[in-house]
Amino acid sequence: DQQVKQNSPSLSVQEGRISILNCDYTNSMFDYFLWYKKYPAEGPTFLISISSIKDKNEDGRFTVFLNKSAKHLSLHIVPSQPGDSAVYFCAALTTSGTYKYIFGTGTRLKVLA
Amino acid sequence: KAGVTQTPRYLIKTRGQQVTLSCSPISGHRSVSWYQQTPGQGLQFLFEYFSETQRNKGNFPGRFSGRQFSNSRSEMNVSTLELGDSALYLCASSQGLGLAAFFGQGTRLTVV
Repeated sequence: DQQVKQNSPSLSVQEGRISILNCDYTNSMFDYFLWYKKYPAEGPTFLISISSIKDKNEDGRFTVFLNKSAKHLSLHIVPSQPGDSAVYFCAALTTSGTYKYIFGTGTRLKVLA
Repeated sequence: KAGVTQTPRYLIKTRGQQVTLSCSPISGHRSVSWYQQTPGQGLQFLFEYFSETQRNKGNFPGRFSGRQFSNSRSEMNVSTLELGDSALYLCASSQGLGLAAFFGQGTRLTVV
């Protein structure tokens, strides 16, 4: 049972345009969400997080949006740069229970120069 | 500040053997968690330790075990290795339970 889903395994975007990565979850108990970026042969790097009490969090070129009613979150990267090409994982957590991160299967982003 | 350090980076073992992986968290971080990454499976949670106690465990067989020492360093052990255990094993540390985790570079385990 995949509680966190990233339905797009890959995405290609032109440099300078917006990249939108999506993530859906099924467990309404999740109250903290994170995005990680992963390059080949490296561990994931924490990007940005959002608590369920917010619907938006922004950090530089990265913005995460949370729609609790739809159980959907998205990561926007504006403007996209070739160095953003990587696999992006979303993760969800319930802080009132077992504190276990549940990761999606990842979306491979390719930013074309 | 040094990041999360995992050793070794690469490992080749044969079926039936056992293996121990090591993780040194960021200084001051007390929570260490372990993940298995295989192609198409994303990151699957193995277990989490906080203050030398296992707090959470994922859905992995008992062949997978771990421990945490008083200095927060953690080890993961896999016994009776199977071909399907070939994966990238990632360790992450955080200041506390439920906070953003910072990952090491992983240990690539190949079972032949």
